[in-house]
Amino acid sequence: DIVMTQSPDSLAVSLGERATINCKSSQSLFFSSNNKNYLAWYQQKPGQPPKLLIYWASTRESGVPDRFSGSGSGTDFTLTISSLQAEDVAIYFCQQYYGTPSFGQGTKVEFK
Amino acid sequence: QVQLVESGGGLVKPGGSLRLSCAASGFSFSDYYLSWIRQAPGKGLEWISYISSTGTNTYYADSVKGRFTMSRDNAKNSLNLQMNSLRAEDTAVYYCARLRDSNTWYDGFDIWGQGTMVTVSS
Repeated sequence: DIVMTQSPDSLAVSLGERATINCKSSQSLFFSSNNKNYLAWYQQKPGQPPKLLIYWASTRESGVPDRFSGSGSGTDFTLTISSLQAEDVAIYFCQQYYGTPSFGQGTKVEFK
Repeated sequence: QVQLVESGGGLVKPGGSLRLSCAASGFSFSDYYLSWIRQAPGKGLEWISYISSTGTNTYYADSVKGRFTMSRDNAKNSLNLQMNSLRAEDTAVYYCARLRDSNTWYDGFDIWGQGTMVTVSS
């Protein structure tokens, strides 16, 4: 099974500042035959289901603000919120779908 | 609009059974692979099962294999999860979720229901 590990567990960022969340997989998520990384990012607010933000490691889901971006390849990935807004306070999860799906433990983003 | 709505959660004793349902609307249900994903209180997300668009193929996490059975009725736009031999560690919010791209396992989950709570306790 592929293990996903996020860092940090929590992050305090000032309004308008950048937030960076890291996700590391125990094996490569890159499939060379289609040149894609099998990784997604989600945002979850209290009492709500997760919301898909990014898939294929860097493709933004329709309707997701462009301050959210995903990067990385192989085993190391990053979700960046370029300018934190009030509505971005949430828990963020990475998820791999290279094998049977597994999620990172989550990173809580709060205001500093 | 595109929507998934779960039902059937509740309190059940260890060793008991429960059947969850998920009603879909707003999209071509029979085109999509679907999953159940759960989240224990205050914890992370755990994928537990997939079903193919036709219902022919299912896959389960080891933690539920042999105890849970996923099925679908494409004529009724509904998804089910039969849970038997329930344990305390099965206590969680259970979400049904749609795979983003039709007809593949290999994608993110773009549509989620609001979830239904299952509590296993004596």
